[in-house]
Amino acid sequence: AQSVTQLGSHVSVSEGALVLLRCNYSSSVPPYLFWYVQYPNQGLQLLLKYTSAATLVKGINGFEAEFKKSETSFHLTKPSAHMSDAAEYFCAVSAGGTSYGKLTFGQGTILTVHP
Amino acid sequence: ETGVTQTPRHLVMGMTNKKSLKCEQHLGHNAMYWYKQSAKKPLELMFVYSLEERVENNSVPSRFSPECPNSSHLFLHLHTLQPEDSALYLCASSQGLGGRYEQYFGPGTRLTVT
Repeated sequence: AQSVTQLGSHVSVSEGALVLLRCNYSSSVPPYLFWYVQYPNQGLQLLLKYTSAATLVKGINGFEAEFKKSETSFHLTKPSAHMSDAAEYFCAVSAGGTSYGKLTFGQGTILTVHP
Repeated sequence: ETGVTQTPRHLVMGMTNKKSLKCEQHLGHNAMYWYKQSAKKPLELMFVYSLEERVENNSVPSRFSPECPNSSHLFLHLHTLQPEDSALYLCASSQGLGGRYEQYFGPGTRLTVT
């Protein structure tokens, strides 16, 4: 079984400030981890993914995330927030290996960026 | 067209109507998915198809009926829906079924059941 917990349903930052969105996972096997972003009235877009290579993963739009096995965490960060980063962000986990890997999503975190 | 497309983007239907949602992927992928996204709830996986065969039916009521005629197209047939079925329905595709394959999502169909 696997699950994802996103800490904080809403995060608010000022433009230019650090963005930190928290994600903790639970998985009985080594996981694959993903961050997706959803803009209003759109589908989900992949930001980045962890597949057991480097623990620090760089994604699009200046985002990155670090896999910490000891903390079962995969937090998303961006050094300097931009107004265009305002959206809802979803962390997701799937089971490792080559068998069917159901993707389990967190509840989502809405990021607001203030000028 | 590129990526994953969905039609219609918006749909309003009465509880006695029958309608269908269409999804098409232009990525050459082998697996396709239907998700339901409701307010204040995590994304719910509804159905999974791999090479046109259904591999998961996630306890979805029979008023939702999926169809996958080929690896590029996926339909969701709707009949006698309830107001609680109002939601954003998202289609996704992936290269394969393994957990390492990321899923690519369409823009969704916003369904309102009156």
